[in-house]
Amino acid sequence: KAGVTQTPRYLIKTRGQQVTLSCSPISGHRSVSWYQQTPGQGLQFLFEYFSETQRNKGNFPGRFSGRQFSNSRSEMNVSTLELGDSALYLCASSLTGTGSGYTFGSGTRLTVV
Amino acid sequence: DQQVKQNSPSLSVQEGRISILNCDYTNSMFDYFLWYKKYPAEGPTFLISISSIKDKNEDGRFTVFLNKSAKHLSLHIVPSQPGDSAVYFCAASAPNTGNQFYFGTGTSLTVIP
Repeated sequence: KAGVTQTPRYLIKTRGQQVTLSCSPISGHRSVSWYQQTPGQGLQFLFEYFSETQRNKGNFPGRFSGRQFSNSRSEMNVSTLELGDSALYLCASSLTGTGSGYTFGSGTRLTVV
Repeated sequence: DQQVKQNSPSLSVQEGRISILNCDYTNSMFDYFLWYKKYPAEGPTFLISISSIKDKNEDGRFTVFLNKSAKHLSLHIVPSQPGDSAVYFCAASAPNTGNQFYFGTGTSLTVIP
């Protein structure tokens, strides 16, 4: 079966711009979680969506937002980009909503210049 | 504030020997722990988990030990193989927090043939 697909794989944006990242979960998975990975902080939880509703949210500013569509695909948006937003953004989908059921995508590498 | 810590950024082990990766946590509410493995340019993949009601869980060459009083868990790989070379992340979650997991910063394991 197809895995979790994240697009684009790489992105370069300028400070102040906004960006939208996309995640297509495994077919049948209704939970999608987003994480930010930086070298010094590891993976930081951004938010989780389940059946089009945000079920949980991490400690990130309001510039980070997301949504989930009826087909479970999810998008993450970052507005007013800052240099510190440069990171690998990982999406994970899950059938049951537990971490052991997570399947991660390969991530989107965002560089803010 | 990093609630899950992996204090060793890297570890090198000879093929056939034991690899021990360590993880410490600060939140006593954590009750479910996982280890993930990550190869370059790929998303993390689930390796093994343990619930706080147990102190050991084994899956083939991989064993996770949990010491709740010390807030410490470790992953043992025996015997280590070159294909085990990857970055290993530990993660933890607390009850009633949905699918939110707290990850450590990772330990890069190199198994030397």
